[in-house]
Amino acid sequence: QLQLQESGPGLVKPSDTLSLTCTVSGGPISSSLYYWGWIRQPPGKGLQYVGSIFYSGSMHSNPSLNSRVTVSIKTSESQFSLKLSSVAAADTAVYYCARIPYCSGGSCYGWSNYVDVWGKGTTVTVSS
Amino acid sequence: EMVLTQSPGTLCLSPGERATLSCRASQSISSSYLAWYQQKPGQAPRLLIYAASSRATGIPDRFSGRGSGTDFTLTITGLEPEDFAVYYCQHYGSTPTCTFGQGTKLEIK
Repeated sequence: QLQLQESGPGLVKPSDTLSLTCTVSGGPISSSLYYWGWIRQPPGKGLQYVGSIFYSGSMHSNPSLNSRVTVSIKTSESQFSLKLSSVAAADTAVYYCARIPYCSGGSCYGWSNYVDVWGKGTTVTVSS
Repeated sequence: EMVLTQSPGTLCLSPGERATLSCRASQSISSSYLAWYQQKPGQAPRLLIYAASSRATGIPDRFSGRGSGTDFTLTITGLEPEDFAVYYCQHYGSTPTCTFGQGTKLEIK
């Protein structure tokens, strides 16, 4: 059964770069069937798509994050990573890594699809 | 930009009752690119429904989705104690980003 596990610092200083890694187990990360993404949830709030990556390295990010997002992938280590630069208190959230099907129901959406597998999430607090 | 508005914000019902949750889109959603998730406290969301009405793997048939255009509904018939949670809708298949609703909290009366 596919499992996703987030890891990284729980505390980041304002203006620094947030770095998280997701380790994929129980299935291949080098698959043309999925994007691998990040979704976040500020305390007591709803969900926000952050960004995602394909095994080939093709990346997409949420424009509302003003180009601060970089998502990368290391297929040899079954990991993908998130970097969010110039963080502020508003970036405090639970960050989930996620598997996003490339296609479903005969249609292909690429990165813009539902999430069918979620990691447990990791809390990141931005504070000095 | 697409906005999804979920109602009600909180729904108080008893086990065994029927729950009807609404998700209204600010623009028409083509081909029913809408999903529903369930989230319990301290847990990650879980996919329930995709393509507006298709149940995800392992989801009980008491969960059903329907709708088209701008109005979508998640119905839970015969509420079980484990169904009390927060529910989110999501629009996908569009650019520049996919969008989530703000959530409906289903509470035990």
